[in-house]
Amino acid sequence: AQSVTQPDIHITVSEGASLELRCNYSYGATPYLFWYVQSPGQGLQLLLKYFSGDTLVQGIKGFEAEFKRSQSSFNLRKPSVHWSDAAEYFCAVVMGDDKIIFGKGTRLHILP
Amino acid sequence: DSGVTQTPKHLITATGQRVTLRCSPRSGDLSVYWYQQSLDQGLQFLIHYYNGEERAKGNILERFSAQQFPDLHSELNLSSLELGDSALYFCASSTSRDRGLDTGELFFGEGSRLTVL
Repeated sequence: AQSVTQPDIHITVSEGASLELRCNYSYGATPYLFWYVQSPGQGLQLLLKYFSGDTLVQGIKGFEAEFKRSQSSFNLRKPSVHWSDAAEYFCAVVMGDDKIIFGKGTRLHILP
Repeated sequence: DSGVTQTPKHLITATGQRVTLRCSPRSGDLSVYWYQQSLDQGLQFLIHYYNGEERAKGNILERFSAQQFPDLHSELNLSSLELGDSALYFCASSTSRDRGLDTGELFFGEGSRLTVL
């Protein structure tokens, strides 16, 4: 079945530390892949996207993500987090049947 | 401001009632998606409309229905409401399509928070 998995429900990192949020998908072809961020009380905002080509993509706010076909993964990274990065992060996949499926999200907590 | 407008922002109603949530997409966006967000289920895809036509259905209950009108605004109708329907309902719009598929660049509204008592 087509699915998107974010294995970590919560992640806590210290301000200034590096971050990696995991995303795995199950889909028969190479999908379109996305990361969105949701701040408290807000809708979701697009961070970055992968369609094809270079498997390392850059996004807004200093985030990047790497597509690894062999692992069916699209992990989000940031070299140094800021307190303002505390939010919920969603991985999303465009499936070929005109659905856009989201993972259940990873809530990021930042320690001062 | 994403350009997507959802009304009402908050709604409190009783079990068994019916409500309508409204979404105005960004100007020029032809696709409208509806999602339900709850603590235990995350962001669940409900339904997708493109230029007035239903394109895909997700985990949408039979008690729920939606439509997209000629002016491209959309409404999500929830009937025979149950306590478990309490959630944040998001609408998102998109205009980007590649080879007939939305490229996932969704612009989200701020959501309609439904509380069923």
